[in-house]
Amino acid sequence: DAKTTQPPSMDCAEGRAANLPCNHSTISGNEYVYWYRQIHSQGPQYIIHGLKNNETNEMASLIITEDRKSSTLILPHATLRDTAVYYCIVRGISSGSARQLTFGSGTQLTVLP
Amino acid sequence: SQTIHQWPATLVQPVGSPLSLECTVEGTSNPNLYWYRQAAGRGLQLLFYSVGIGQISSEVPQNLSASRPQDRQFILSSKKLLLSDSGFYLCAWYHPDRAGHEQYFGPGTRLTVT
Repeated sequence: DAKTTQPPSMDCAEGRAANLPCNHSTISGNEYVYWYRQIHSQGPQYIIHGLKNNETNEMASLIITEDRKSSTLILPHATLRDTAVYYCIVRGISSGSARQLTFGSGTQLTVLP
Repeated sequence: SQTIHQWPATLVQPVGSPLSLECTVEGTSNPNLYWYRQAAGRGLQLLFYSVGIGQISSEVPQNLSASRPQDRQFILSSKKLLLSDSGFYLCAWYHPDRAGHEQYFGPGTRLTVT
C-alpha cells in the first residue's frame, strides 16, 4: 500500500471549513484513498473513500487531484465534536489479502470555539 | 443497519491472569473480522483476522489467540497476560461484497495489565 504524508496538527475555527491535506505520491492505479478519524478514547470512524472522482457524503467531501498524488478531506462546517485525529490511508482492493488498514500518525485537528 | 459491539469497555487485570474479549456484529452475515491493538500514542497494529467461522490468521506472534465460534462473533484470548499486553483493543469488520471495502470499528476495550 502506498505511503501517505499528513501534517501532524491543524487548528480550525468552529463553523469554518476544515481542509485536511494528504500526500500519496506513490499511489498506484488500483489503490483507493480512505479517510478515518479517531476521537479520543473511541474506535476509528470511517469517513469517506474515493478512487479518482471527488466524493461527498453527509460527513465530508474528498477532493482527489487529477494525478491522484494528493487529496484533501473537507469538513464544510467544523464543530467542536470534529476534534479528532484524522487518518488518510491508501490501499488497494485485492483478493487473498488480509485487507488490513495501516494507520499512520494522522493529523490532530483541533476545532477552536 | 449494521452495528458492532465490544465488551467489556474497560478491564484491569493482573499479570499472569487470563483474558477474554468479545466482539459481535449485527445486521450482516459472513463479515471479515479483525482484532487490532493500539498502544498509547501509537498507531493500530493488526493482531488477527478471520474470513469465516473457525478461520483465524495471526499477523503478530504473541501470547494472544483468537477464535471465531460463530459467524458474527470474534473472541480475543490469553492464558497469561503480560504487562506489554496493555492497550486499546479494537474489533473491526467489513463485508467483501461492499465495493469500497471500508472497515467499521467497534468502541474498543481498554485493557490495563498491572
